[in-house]
Amino acid sequence: SAVISQKPSRDICQRGTSLTIQCQVDSQVTMMFWYRQQPGQSLTLIATANQGSEATYESGFVIDKFPISRPNLTFSTLTVSNMSPEDSSIYLCSVDKGTGGDTQYFGPGTRLTVL
Amino acid sequence: QQQVKQSPQSLIVQKGGISIINCAYENTAFDYFPWYQQFPGKGPALLIAIRPDVSEKKEGRFTISFNKSAKQFSLHIMDSQPGDSATYFCAASMGTYKYIFGTGTRLKVLA
Repeated sequence: SAVISQKPSRDICQRGTSLTIQCQVDSQVTMMFWYRQQPGQSLTLIATANQGSEATYESGFVIDKFPISRPNLTFSTLTVSNMSPEDSSIYLCSVDKGTGGDTQYFGPGTRLTVL
Repeated sequence: QQQVKQSPQSLIVQKGGISIINCAYENTAFDYFPWYQQFPGKGPALLIAIRPDVSEKKEGRFTISFNKSAKQFSLHIMDSQPGDSATYFCAASMGTYKYIFGTGTRLKVLA
Protein backbone atom coordinates (compact mmCIF):
# COMPACT_ATOMS: atom_id res chain seq x y z
CA SER A 1 0.00 0.00 0.00
CA ALA A 2 1.02 3.65 0.25
CA VAL A 3 0.76 6.39 2.85
CA ILE A 4 -0.48 9.57 1.24
CA SER A 5 -0.86 12.97 2.83
CA GLN A 6 -2.54 16.07 1.46
CA LYS A 7 -2.29 19.70 2.45
CA PRO A 8 -4.41 21.56 3.28
CA SER A 9 -7.07 19.20 4.61
CA ARG A 10 -9.68 21.88 4.05
CA ASP A 11 -9.90 25.50 3.07
CA ILE A 12 -12.44 28.23 2.51
CA CYS A 13 -11.53 30.57 -0.34
CA GLN A 14 -12.92 33.63 -2.00
CA ARG A 15 -14.16 33.68 -5.57
CA GLY A 16 -11.46 34.56 -8.08
CA THR A 17 -8.53 33.35 -6.00
CA SER A 18 -6.39 30.24 -6.48
CA LEU A 19 -5.49 27.39 -4.16
CA THR A 20 -2.63 24.93 -4.47
CA ILE A 21 -3.11 21.48 -2.99
CA GLN A 22 -0.10 19.35 -2.16
CA CYS A 23 0.11 15.56 -2.27
CA GLN A 24 3.00 13.67 -0.65
CA VAL A 25 3.59 9.92 -0.87
CA ASP A 26 5.81 7.86 1.42
CA SER A 27 7.50 6.03 -1.46
CA GLN A 28 8.31 6.56 -5.10
CA VAL A 29 5.46 6.00 -7.51
CA THR A 30 5.23 6.24 -11.26
CA MET A 31 1.78 7.69 -11.65
CA MET A 32 -0.23 10.08 -9.55
CA PHE A 33 -3.82 11.03 -10.18
CA TRP A 34 -6.04 13.91 -9.19
CA TYR A 35 -9.76 13.42 -8.68
CA ARG A 36 -12.68 15.64 -7.82
CA GLN A 37 -15.55 14.43 -5.67
CA GLN A 38 -18.49 16.77 -5.39
CA PRO A 39 -20.56 16.45 -2.20
CA GLY A 40 -22.36 13.12 -2.08
CA GLN A 41 -21.17 12.23 -5.56
CA SER A 42 -18.77 9.82 -7.19
CA LEU A 43 -15.16 10.45 -8.13
CA THR A 44 -14.19 12.07 -11.39
CA LEU A 45 -10.65 11.93 -12.72
CA ILE A 46 -9.18 15.36 -13.42
CA ALA A 47 -5.75 14.39 -14.70
CA THR A 48 -2.89 11.93 -14.56
CA ALA A 49 0.52 13.24 -13.53
CA ASN A 50 3.74 11.50 -14.50
CA GLN A 51 7.09 12.70 -13.30
CA GLY A 52 9.03 14.47 -16.00
CA SER A 53 6.17 14.98 -18.40
CA GLU A 54 3.10 17.15 -18.71
CA ALA A 55 -0.07 16.02 -17.03
CA THR A 56 -2.78 14.38 -19.11
CA TYR A 57 -6.18 15.97 -18.59
CA GLU A 58 -9.57 14.33 -18.91
CA SER A 59 -12.38 15.73 -20.96
CA GLY A 60 -13.85 18.79 -19.29
CA PHE A 61 -10.69 19.72 -17.41
CA VAL A 62 -8.04 22.10 -18.74
CA ILE A 63 -4.54 23.01 -17.70
CA ASP A 64 -5.29 26.71 -17.32
CA LYS A 65 -7.90 25.93 -14.68
CA PHE A 66 -6.13 23.01 -12.98
CA PRO A 67 -2.36 23.31 -13.46
CA ILE A 68 -0.46 20.35 -12.06
CA SER A 69 3.17 19.94 -11.11
CA ARG A 70 5.03 16.67 -10.58
CA PRO A 71 8.60 17.61 -9.66
CA ASN A 72 9.63 14.17 -8.36
CA LEU A 73 8.37 10.64 -7.76
CA THR A 74 6.85 11.35 -4.33
CA PHE A 75 5.16 14.73 -4.72
CA SER A 76 2.58 16.54 -6.82
CA THR A 77 0.51 19.70 -6.62
CA LEU A 78 -2.85 20.64 -8.08
CA THR A 79 -3.83 24.28 -8.35
CA VAL A 80 -7.46 25.31 -8.65
CA SER A 81 -7.32 28.66 -10.43
CA ASN A 82 -9.73 31.57 -10.57
CA MET A 83 -12.14 29.73 -8.31
CA SER A 84 -15.90 29.95 -8.40
CA PRO A 85 -18.47 28.38 -6.05
CA GLU A 86 -18.85 25.53 -8.56
CA ASP A 87 -15.31 24.46 -7.69
CA SER A 88 -16.40 23.60 -4.16
CA SER A 89 -15.54 19.92 -3.90
CA ILE A 90 -13.25 17.40 -2.33
CA TYR A 91 -10.00 17.05 -4.25
CA LEU A 92 -8.22 13.74 -3.91
CA CYS A 93 -4.87 12.52 -5.08
CA SER A 94 -4.15 8.88 -5.64
CA VAL A 95 -1.16 6.79 -6.64
CA ASP A 96 -0.73 3.49 -8.39
CA LYS A 97 1.00 0.98 -6.21
CA GLY A 98 0.08 -2.65 -6.17
CA THR A 99 0.73 -5.98 -7.71
CA GLY A 100 -0.16 -5.85 -11.35
CA GLY A 101 0.17 -2.07 -11.29
CA ASP A 102 -3.55 -1.37 -11.45
CA THR A 103 -4.27 -0.62 -7.82
CA GLN A 104 -4.81 2.97 -6.78
CA TYR A 105 -4.51 4.25 -3.23
CA PHE A 106 -6.12 7.51 -2.23
CA GLY A 107 -5.11 10.37 -0.02
CA PRO A 108 -7.48 11.78 2.63
CA GLY A 109 -8.67 14.57 0.37
CA THR A 110 -8.83 18.36 0.52
CA ARG A 111 -12.25 19.84 1.17
CA LEU A 112 -12.54 23.14 -0.68
CA THR A 113 -15.32 25.64 -0.19
CA VAL A 114 -15.48 28.67 -2.46
CA LEU A 115 -17.57 31.61 -1.33
CA GLN B 1 -19.81 2.21 -22.86
CA GLN B 2 -17.57 3.88 -20.29
CA GLN B 3 -20.17 3.88 -17.53
CA VAL B 4 -20.30 1.65 -14.51
CA LYS B 5 -23.81 1.42 -13.11
CA GLN B 6 -24.08 0.82 -9.39
CA SER B 7 -27.11 -0.12 -7.31
CA PRO B 8 -28.69 0.41 -4.90
CA GLN B 9 -28.03 4.03 -4.13
CA SER B 10 -28.58 3.38 -0.45
CA LEU B 11 -28.94 0.26 1.66
CA ILE B 12 -30.02 -0.42 5.23
CA VAL B 13 -29.11 -3.77 6.75
CA GLN B 14 -29.52 -5.23 10.20
CA LYS B 15 -26.43 -6.17 12.15
CA GLY B 16 -25.36 -9.66 11.20
CA GLY B 17 -27.10 -9.53 7.85
CA ILE B 18 -25.67 -9.70 4.35
CA SER B 19 -25.13 -6.49 2.38
CA ILE B 20 -25.14 -6.84 -1.38
CA ILE B 21 -24.11 -4.10 -3.80
CA ASN B 22 -24.23 -4.59 -7.54
CA CYS B 23 -22.38 -3.07 -10.46
CA ALA B 24 -22.76 -3.51 -14.20
CA TYR B 25 -20.55 -2.44 -17.07
CA GLU B 26 -20.69 -2.41 -20.86
CA ASN B 27 -17.08 -2.24 -22.00
CA THR B 28 -15.66 -5.76 -22.26
CA ALA B 29 -12.15 -4.30 -22.35
CA PHE B 30 -12.32 -3.60 -18.60
CA ASP B 31 -9.97 -6.02 -16.87
CA TYR B 32 -9.73 -4.84 -13.28
CA PHE B 33 -12.60 -4.30 -10.87
CA PRO B 34 -11.84 -2.82 -7.42
CA TRP B 35 -14.20 -1.91 -4.62
CA TYR B 36 -13.54 1.06 -2.35
CA GLN B 37 -14.93 1.94 1.06
CA GLN B 38 -15.21 5.58 2.06
CA PHE B 39 -16.02 6.95 5.49
CA PRO B 40 -17.18 10.57 5.88
CA GLY B 41 -14.26 12.98 5.69
CA LYS B 42 -11.84 10.31 4.48
CA GLY B 43 -10.44 9.24 1.15
CA PRO B 44 -11.62 5.98 -0.45
CA ALA B 45 -9.81 2.89 0.85
CA LEU B 46 -9.28 -0.17 -1.31
CA LEU B 47 -11.37 -3.04 0.00
CA ILE B 48 -11.01 -5.88 -2.47
CA ALA B 49 -10.45 -6.25 -6.21
CA ILE B 50 -10.92 -8.90 -8.88
CA ARG B 51 -9.87 -9.65 -12.42
CA PRO B 52 -12.22 -11.31 -14.93
CA ASP B 53 -10.32 -14.60 -14.98
CA VAL B 54 -11.92 -15.62 -11.67
CA SER B 55 -15.58 -15.72 -10.69
CA GLU B 56 -15.20 -15.06 -7.00
CA LYS B 57 -12.73 -13.60 -4.55
CA LYS B 58 -13.09 -13.62 -0.80
CA GLU B 59 -11.22 -11.63 1.82
CA GLY B 60 -12.57 -12.03 5.31
CA ARG B 61 -16.22 -10.96 5.37
CA PHE B 62 -15.97 -9.35 1.92
CA THR B 63 -16.60 -11.30 -1.29
CA ILE B 64 -16.66 -10.17 -4.90
CA SER B 65 -18.76 -12.23 -7.28
CA PHE B 66 -17.99 -11.70 -10.94
CA ASN B 67 -20.19 -12.72 -13.87
CA LYS B 68 -18.26 -12.10 -17.06
CA SER B 69 -21.03 -13.12 -19.46
CA ALA B 70 -23.54 -10.83 -17.77
CA LYS B 71 -20.94 -8.06 -17.35
CA GLN B 72 -21.85 -7.72 -13.71
CA PHE B 73 -20.00 -7.89 -10.43
CA SER B 74 -21.14 -7.55 -6.88
CA LEU B 75 -19.83 -7.00 -3.38
CA HIS B 76 -21.17 -9.14 -0.56
CA ILE B 77 -20.53 -8.16 3.04
CA MET B 78 -21.25 -11.07 5.33
CA ASP B 79 -22.17 -10.60 8.99
CA SER B 80 -22.52 -6.85 8.44
CA GLN B 81 -21.47 -4.68 11.37
CA PRO B 82 -22.29 -1.07 12.31
CA GLY B 83 -18.63 -0.27 11.61
CA ASP B 84 -19.25 -1.21 7.97
CA SER B 85 -21.54 1.79 7.62
CA ALA B 86 -19.89 3.80 4.84
CA THR B 87 -20.18 4.61 1.16
CA TYR B 88 -18.99 1.91 -1.21
CA PHE B 89 -17.79 2.52 -4.75
CA CYS B 90 -17.17 -0.02 -7.45
CA ALA B 91 -14.80 0.83 -10.26
CA ALA B 92 -13.48 -0.61 -13.50
CA SER B 93 -10.32 -0.04 -15.48
CA MET B 94 -8.75 -1.44 -18.62
CA GLY B 95 -5.08 -1.48 -17.83
CA THR B 96 -4.61 2.21 -18.47
CA TYR B 97 -4.88 3.14 -14.80
CA LYS B 98 -7.93 5.20 -15.60
CA TYR B 99 -10.69 4.19 -13.21
CA ILE B 100 -14.35 4.57 -14.04
CA PHE B 101 -16.22 4.76 -10.75
CA GLY B 102 -19.78 3.76 -10.00
CA THR B 103 -22.11 6.26 -8.40
CA GLY B 104 -21.69 4.88 -4.90
CA THR B 105 -23.88 3.07 -2.37
CA ARG B 106 -24.47 4.49 1.07
CA LEU B 107 -24.67 1.54 3.49
CA LYS B 108 -26.09 1.80 6.97
CA VAL B 109 -25.91 -1.18 9.29
CA LEU B 110 -28.30 -0.98 12.20
CA ALA B 111 -27.11 -2.13 15.60
